[in-house]
Amino acid sequence: NAGVTQTPKFRVLKTGQSMTLLCAQDMNHEYMYWYRQDPGMGLRLIHYSVGEGTTAKGEVPDGYNVSRLKKQNFLLGLESAAPSQTSVYFCASSYPGLSSGNTIYFGEGSWLTVV
Amino acid sequence: AQKITQTQPGMFVQEKEAVTLDCTYDTSDPSYGLFWYKQPSSGEMIFLIYQGSYDQQNATEGRYSLNFQKARKSANLVISASQLGDSAMYFCAMREGGDSSYKLIFGSGTRLLVRP
Repeated sequence: NAGVTQTPKFRVLKTGQSMTLLCAQDMNHEYMYWYRQDPGMGLRLIHYSVGEGTTAKGEVPDGYNVSRLKKQNFLLGLESAAPSQTSVYFCASSYPGLSSGNTIYFGEGSWLTVV
Repeated sequence: AQKITQTQPGMFVQEKEAVTLDCTYDTSDPSYGLFWYKQPSSGEMIFLIYQGSYDQQNATEGRYSLNFQKARKSANLVISASQLGDSAMYFCAMREGGDSSYKLIFGSGTRLLVRP
């Protein structure tokens, strides 16, 4: 069972470079999310999508762009990477609503270092 | 504003003993869900247990139970019979029914170390 798959797992970027993180889910979930995790701060929401073709800003959207052209894919882009974007990035997906059956499932994380 | 607070940055427990990880939350939405996730050193986020705000009984999943005290706005995770494999970071999170994004808001986490 693939679940939520993120690529790449690890990446080192130079300041000013651009890159795209790809998230793919095979659970037919409507909702998809991108979070970042920094030491001592838990996970913070960057952007999210409630369906194909829709995106919205989360808590820390600056410096990132997203696209959801297909239901199963959610892309996170860094146009001009900065050292402050060094972090672990998690993609997640779920059905909407409140129940244990609507658990949010996470990918394995992508470790990004900007030097 | 919705908020999750975990006041224990780190905790130790002896193998085979029980441990309680604290979580308090703040929300004005009467409909919400509370989640606990485990993050081992390998980094993945593993769902452990869920409690809905209207659930009458405390949630249990194997060795995990959630001590839900609605009036106090607390949702503590209890791990019974700790095992070495329980050493990990634990996150409490909340999802509000009135939030159309259904996003999870996370606490800062508690690092649990199980001693042999």
